[in-house]
Amino acid sequence: GNSVTQMEGPVTLSEEAFLTINCTYTATGYPSLFWYVQYPGEGLQLLLKATKADDKGSNKGFEATYRKETTSFHLEKGSVQVSDSAVYFCALEGGYNKLIFGAGTRLAVHP
Amino acid sequence: SQTIHQWPATLVQPVGSPLSLECTVEGTSNPNLYWYRQAAGRGLQLLFYSVGIGQISSEVPQNLSASRPQDRQFILSSKKLLLSDSGFYLCAWRDSLNEKLFFGSGTQLSVL
Repeated sequence: GNSVTQMEGPVTLSEEAFLTINCTYTATGYPSLFWYVQYPGEGLQLLLKATKADDKGSNKGFEATYRKETTSFHLEKGSVQVSDSAVYFCALEGGYNKLIFGAGTRLAVHP
Repeated sequence: SQTIHQWPATLVQPVGSPLSLECTVEGTSNPNLYWYRQAAGRGLQLLFYSVGIGQISSEVPQNLSASRPQDRQFILSSKKLLLSDSGFYLCAWRDSLNEKLFFGSGTQLSVL
């Protein structure tokens, strides 16, 4: 079946450090892939997405590239800020308009 | 614009009591609707989804049920709550045009 695996957190970084949060997926075909973010005290919101292989989604300095050869969609940011502290969820389109989420990775950025 | 309402925000219920969480969407027609649960340390799990009135698909066997009595209303229920039903429940609807999922503010359920 379809599934998403994310690296376990928490990830703790200093401000301006480089961020990578790994995400790999198992699916039939080539589903759309997403990153959602949940800031403290807020609901989940879409961060970025990619709909086909080799697409790069980007938003707010974050990027993720759809890699079908490695079935991955790793989230990266060149220089994190304290305001990026949140829980990040990788997700895939599971058919019938369902989104299948990973377990989430908590990111804590310190000044 | 579209909005999604979910209530109550917090709920404390004894084991064995019934449950009813309600979610309504405004500003759109025939949305796909979803119930997710975010249990501590376990990420976001899809519980139910609905593509239309009276159409409910269950993703995991559990003590909960869902109903869609109206186009923009989605209800999560239980006849008898278990301790393991504690968690953060999120309702969501899907924008079919750009695949974006919009989440409600969630209900924190504590079963004691």
